[in-house]
Amino acid sequence: EVQLVESGGGLVKPGGSLRLSCAASGFTFSSYSMNWVRQAPGKGLEWVSSISSSSSYIYYADSVKGRFTISRDNAKNSLYLQMNSLRAEDTAVYYCARREEVAAAGFDYWGQGTLVTVSS
Amino acid sequence: SYELTQPPSVSVSPGQTARITCSGDALPKQYAYWYQQKPGQAPVLVIYKDSERPSGIPERFSGSSSGTTVTLTISGVQAEDEADYYCQSADSSGTWVFGTGTKVTVL
Repeated sequence: EVQLVESGGGLVKPGGSLRLSCAASGFTFSSYSMNWVRQAPGKGLEWVSSISSSSSYIYYADSVKGRFTISRDNAKNSLYLQMNSLRAEDTAVYYCARREEVAAAGFDYWGQGTLVTVSS
Repeated sequence: SYELTQPPSVSVSPGQTARITCSGDALPKQYAYWYQQKPGQAPVLVIYKDSERPSGIPERFSGSSSGTTVTLTISGVQAEDEADYYCQSADSSGTWVFGTGTKVTVL
């Protein structure tokens, strides 16, 4: 069974840092690109970042570029999101999602999310 | 990046057909995807590559594309289909964008 389990969320002050993790199981993690998507309370989905299976290709939304860093450890079947210089507008549930590295695949499995709250 | 525009809400009676549109300038060149999200749950992929249905998704969900607009159609709507629906597409730079979201209410 495919499972994606996020952790590391919590309450942090503006300007602070947080590192999110996503533990993957039930599939060949190293064959999939991985993504972070967030959802502010009562708002829609916002794509945050993507990383290819071998970490060769990394992309960020303009809203987080220069502050967030995505990474992965295929040996540990884990995805990470290092979040620095956090702002109130970064408050959201953060989901990790996988995407098969074939043409036109969607985000077919998602974790249940971890809540990040940025507040003084 | 560009924007994908959806109607905020769609209301439909049980057994009727719901159609949700998504408009974006890049849609003629990029595939669209659709996700269903129920309250307190993670999104679920219901359509990929404009019109393909993942295994396990009921046949009443279908997708189509025409120019700068893609459409998710739910035929024979059931109460369990009440949810938020989001379209998604990529742009040429490797980034992704989600639509503004549509709340489907089953009357």
